[in-house]
Amino acid sequence: AQSVTQLDSQVPVFEEAPVELRCNYSSSVSVYLFWYVQYPNQGLQLLLKYLSGSTLVKGINGFEAEFNKSQTSFHLRKPSVHISDTAEYFCAVSRSNDYKLSFGAGTTVTVRA
Amino acid sequence: NAGVTQTPKFRVLKTGQSMTLLCAQDMNHEYMYWYRQDPGMGLRLIHYSVGEGTTAKGEVPDGYNVSRLKKQNFLLGLESAAPSQTSVYFCASSYWVGGSSYNEQFFGPGTRLTVL
Repeated sequence: AQSVTQLDSQVPVFEEAPVELRCNYSSSVSVYLFWYVQYPNQGLQLLLKYLSGSTLVKGINGFEAEFNKSQTSFHLRKPSVHISDTAEYFCAVSRSNDYKLSFGAGTTVTVRA
Repeated sequence: NAGVTQTPKFRVLKTGQSMTLLCAQDMNHEYMYWYRQDPGMGLRLIHYSVGEGTTAKGEVPDGYNVSRLKKQNFLLGLESAAPSQTSVYFCASSYWVGGSSYNEQFFGPGTRLTVL
């Protein structure tokens, strides 16, 4: 079975500063990797995904993530955050031949002016 | 196109009461899921369905039952609610074409349930 660890539970950051959210996974088979965002009082929305190919993946709202197979990591980055990026972010993994997702515990990003 | 909708949005129950949460999707997705979200624990899969008339247990199924009588609906039932079931419940749906395809799950807005 696969598992996901998000290394930071809370990340405070100032507006226009960069942010990195760390995600590590464990799996004995090939995986697909996802980042979801949950804005306050809303459901989850897909930010980006890694299936195969280029290890640098670009998503919506200026986010990108890099897949590192040797370090089993999939860290999310944004070079300059906005107040509207305040949300909870979830890393998720599925086996490449499975439809079920395993989620990390989430990272709460709070952007301050 | 409403996507995934959930009813109700909020509910307060007393211990021992029963209730049903309704999830509906209009994307003709085969797969549907129920999750619960608790602080510091992310989303945990309760039950899921791979098609009309089928259901299966997820990671935390105890105390819940589900039914998928119609492709577009997935019901989650609590027969005898307990305070430990206080949580935010999310429904999701996805398509699956097998092979090298991937599983993007589309989520509903959630139901906030409090059991006193």
